[in-house]
Amino acid sequence: EADIYQTPRYLVIGTGKKITLECSQTMGHDKMYWYQQDPGMELHLIHYSYGVNSTEKGDLSSESTVSRIRTEHFPLTLESARPSHTSQYLCASSEGGSSGANVLTFGAGSRLTVL
Amino acid sequence: AQKVTQAQTEISVVEKEDVTLDCVYETRDTTYYLFWYKQPPSGELVFLIRRNSFDEQNEISGRYSWNFQKSTSSFNFTITASQVVDSAVYFCALSEGGATNKLIFGTGTLLAVQP
Repeated sequence: EADIYQTPRYLVIGTGKKITLECSQTMGHDKMYWYQQDPGMELHLIHYSYGVNSTEKGDLSSESTVSRIRTEHFPLTLESARPSHTSQYLCASSEGGSSGANVLTFGAGSRLTVL
Repeated sequence: AQKVTQAQTEISVVEKEDVTLDCVYETRDTTYYLFWYKQPPSGELVFLIRRNSFDEQNEISGRYSWNFQKSTSSFNFTITASQVVDSAVYFCALSEGGATNKLIFGTGTLLAVQP
């Protein structure tokens, strides 16, 4: 049973459309993350959040934006999608704390195709 | 700089063979954490194991075992008597530690177990 939910699982849209990928978790985790996964499998961190009203850019530059208004919800938005945005987007969450030991729990991913 | 290298891009074995997935990491931190995740075709990453830098004991869990060697900066993963259900992409990851708890992933190894 998933504790972190992503919708939609699959999305095909045209260039220029605005899209929002939803991510919700029921574990009360403070930290949340968005990873972008290339077709070649590599995972890159694009956004993360320590908690409500906290968002940071990740290691890979992305034109997407995120918000964290509620602990359980961490949506990702693309204002104007382009074919270069075609990818798998994985949301994850972890408990708070500063040790680096926390296990990330991942959602099933949203596979975006921009035509 | 911190880095995780999984030199094996793809491995194909026949059911019941043993297989070892290699992982080499680089970090300047003295305290760090290493992880293995499995990504089946369904897409979500599933946590398998976490080790901290002070615990070099090898670990066995059923058919899975992990060999952590600080001297060679390696954290290899062995599946004994592989099964078709083991077919997946396997990621090794390193935690930077600290407040962000960001994971740095290797490029993944695609394991195909043939019946």
